Amino acid sequence: KQEVTQIPAALSVPEGENLVLNCSFTDSAIYNLQWFRQDPGKGLTSLLLIQSSQREQTSGRLNASLDKSSGRSTLYIAASQPGDSATYLCAQAGNDYKLSFGAGTTVTVRA
Amino acid sequence: NAGVTQTPKFQVLKTGQSMTLQCAQDMNHNSMYWYRQDPGMGLRLIYYSASEGTTDKGEVPNGYNVSRLNKREFSLRLESAAPSQTSVYFCASSGTDRSTQYFGPGTRLTVL
Repeated sequence: KQEVTQIPAALSVPEGENLVLNCSFTDSAIYNLQWFRQDPGKGLTSLLLIQSSQREQTSGRLNASLDKSSGRSTLYIAASQPGDSATYLCAQAGNDYKLSFGAGTTVTVRA
Repeated sequence: NAGVTQTPKFQVLKTGQSMTLQCAQDMNHNSMYWYRQDPGMGLRLIYYSASEGTTDKGEVPNGYNVSRLNKREFSLRLESAAPSQTSVYFCASSGTDRSTQYFGPGTRLTVL
């Protein structure tokens, strides 16, 4: 059974600081790793998808890395802004069709 | 472009009542999903449909049924609601399984 863990559950940083969000997964048979953002009371928005053959993906201020050997993915958000305040979830796709989600890290960026 | 739409947005039921949650996507996606999200937990897959006419159970299917009405629509039915089904329900779709999933805004369901 795939298990995905995100630590810490919550994080508060001052504006301008770089954010580092961690995701650990237990299934080495990973197909891809996806990062999502969820605003309060809203659905999930896809941020980045890293295929198992890739080491990282970048989109603007966001960079996600994937290390299959250690079972870890990290989402970096450069120069954080108050608008980055949200919950960030990672999800692992394995050899079946299912995504296994972590519980998320809730980020607060203080102005 | 509406993406994934869900109705209703909010619903309160009494124990034993039934209801259907509706989901539609306009992105011509093959795969559709129903998840539930509970406080402090990640999303858990209830049911999945790889294509029109096919459905498969996910991690927590008990107490639910689904219908893939056509390529656009995927509904979730609670036949006899229980307080344990109080949750936020999300529908999602993707072009193929394991590709990027696009989520609807969710339905907040309370069962009294």
